[in-house]
Amino acid sequence: GAGVSQTPSNKVTEKGKYVELRCDPISGHTALYWYRQSLGQGPEFLIYFQGTGAADDSGLPNDRFFAVRPEGSVSTLKIQRTERGDSAVYLCASSSSGTWGETQYFGPGTRLLVL
Amino acid sequence: KQEVTQIPAALSVPEGENLVLNCSFTDSAIYNLQWFRQDPGKGLTSLLLIQSSQREQTSGRLNASLDKSSGRSTLYIAASQPGDSATYLCAVRDNYGQNFVFGPGTRLSVLP
Repeated sequence: GAGVSQTPSNKVTEKGKYVELRCDPISGHTALYWYRQSLGQGPEFLIYFQGTGAADDSGLPNDRFFAVRPEGSVSTLKIQRTERGDSAVYLCASSSSGTWGETQYFGPGTRLLVL
Repeated sequence: KQEVTQIPAALSVPEGENLVLNCSFTDSAIYNLQWFRQDPGKGLTSLLLIQSSQREQTSGRLNASLDKSSGRSTLYIAASQPGDSATYLCAVRDNYGQNFVFGPGTRLSVLP
């Protein structure tokens, strides 16, 4: 596609529920990143994929968070037993090959609200 | 652990003014630094990417400088316009990981 797309754009859920957030990167981009942005803050890194594998998941806050990218394109961020503190905008980015000098292209984000 | 700060947190200027946004980072072992723009409810748009070996980058009315040894970058916006109103984020990619570390942003309002 022309850019990174994310669905849904907004998600409201209740505490304790399970949610899935989807990211569709730019076609052909092998590197994919998930970030979380709380109100008034800059994005915080969650996880980085190179192809199908998670090359760096050091930013995942706890084991309720999990992400997959089974075919090396679309990625899904999964949050179990959601908590009110999980409310944030979840941003996805992709880059061509993940090499050091590249820029990352960001999607519009999914705004998650946990009631 | 790399930390990025931005000053000021918010800035309001009349149209036509030149302005400077500041970014500081604690670990100078960076690979590159990037300035982004974020409009309300939208994702991030890349403005300028400066590699660690570079001192500055220019695009139109924007100029970004990098002083790696002192841990600072500035974004200069010339002849500001109301359409420049947005949050400006700087982010550094250090030598230890593939991800960016972001500052909290500067919220800019340019008044007509």
